[in-house]
Amino acid sequence: DTGVSQDPRHKITKRGQNVTFRCDPISEHNRLYWYRQTLGQGPEFLTYFQNEAQLEKSRLLSDRFSAERPKGSFSTLEIQRTEQGDSAMYLCASSSSGNKETQYFGPGTRLLVL
Amino acid sequence: SQQGEEDPQALSIQEGENATMNCSYKTSINNLQWYRQNSGRGLVHLILIRSNEREKHSGRLRVTLDTSKKSSSLLITASRAADTASYFCALISSGSARQLTFGSGTQLTVLP
Repeated sequence: DTGVSQDPRHKITKRGQNVTFRCDPISEHNRLYWYRQTLGQGPEFLTYFQNEAQLEKSRLLSDRFSAERPKGSFSTLEIQRTEQGDSAMYLCASSSSGNKETQYFGPGTRLLVL
Repeated sequence: SQQGEEDPQALSIQEGENATMNCSYKTSINNLQWYRQNSGRGLVHLILIRSNEREKHSGRLRVTLDTSKKSSSLLITASRAADTASYFCALISSGSARQLTFGSGTQLTVLP
């Protein structure tokens, strides 16, 4: 257990529905990242927050995806109008300013879009 | 696209043997890291090696880095069944201080 928690751990939804995932980072970490991982591949970067500011977004993050970190603590990732291609593991990670190079990952949320 | 690529894609060894995994990359890097992922779980940070370092040890892990060849290797000595997992190299490019770029991983199976 790295101290990063994600909820839910599993989500099954029908195509076209909206889903929202939550990430609670390690409490003193001001940097938070979202990654997506498909079967047999490594994680791919989606977006990055420093405190409440979203500083970087990948081109993978289409208009249907939105992430927030309103108070600089927990973060949410919402996918609107889900598609089957959105099925993946969504991983959250956090790091501190003092050791920003080492990211601590949560257990992930596995999404299946039917 | 993922800039780190691991080799081999899959490796199966007997308990007690050593396991070596390689990672090649294309860009200039600040550092290179290795992570482990047990099936269906999150990633666990194993070790970080900086671009000015050539070798680093942590317990049964030994990592080397050759920036001239843009490659790194992870050696796990005296492997155990509990080492069975996927191993990923991840790098932070010189142009970015934030995002990790992962390879596709090596699936290691250690047979008891």
